[in-house]
Amino acid sequence: GAVVSQHPSWVICKSGTSVKIECRSLDFQATTMFWYRQFPKQSLMLMATSNEGSKATYEQGVEKDKFLINHASLTLSTLTVTSAHPEDSSFYICSAPSGQGQETQYFGPGTRLLVL
Amino acid sequence: SQQGEEDPQALSIQEGENATMNCSYKTSINNLQWYRQNSGRGLVHLILIRSNEREKHSGRLRVTLDTSKKSSSLLITASRAADTASYFCATDAQNNDMRFGAGTRLTVKP
Repeated sequence: GAVVSQHPSWVICKSGTSVKIECRSLDFQATTMFWYRQFPKQSLMLMATSNEGSKATYEQGVEKDKFLINHASLTLSTLTVTSAHPEDSSFYICSAPSGQGQETQYFGPGTRLLVL
Repeated sequence: SQQGEEDPQALSIQEGENATMNCSYKTSINNLQWYRQNSGRGLVHLILIRSNEREKHSGRLRVTLDTSKKSSSLLITASRAADTASYFCATDAQNNDMRFGAGTRLTVKP
């Protein structure tokens, strides 16, 4: 089946630095990708919809200047956490729709971010 | 914002027993999907049920959908220790925008 990869799988950084997370669809093209954040013991929260060739659509309450999304190609979307703070520490997951009718979401393995 | 709400929040059963998890949602949907997430891992798609379907089976999984009540249930029969995970329902309303519930944490004791 379709495969989505994320890189890195985990990252530790100092407060104030920026961190870039890549999401790739390995064997299919994705004009749309989704970014989620999951805090410990909580549900996935949709952060934004990444659109190839246009601006990302952010969910209410998600700072677009804080979480920069670039959908550079049909197989790559990047999420950059700018000036990261400890409260940004979380598990970030991307997904891309594929399959018949684009109904099935294929999720990346996630990136665990720890900001010290 | 979240769309689905699963209950119970946590469920602990013995191996071999059946596990039933419920999901309720608020708005009209195109389809509803169930996912499993093992601790610290990404999500795995389990089953999709369309709004015009009422029941669907996949191996030991049985999903029902009641659009009049805006609810769905996931039944895992003859549970195994390996079924221990968090289970999420997700609704697909429009533009493939997925909304997840808080999940049910299932523990299957050997």
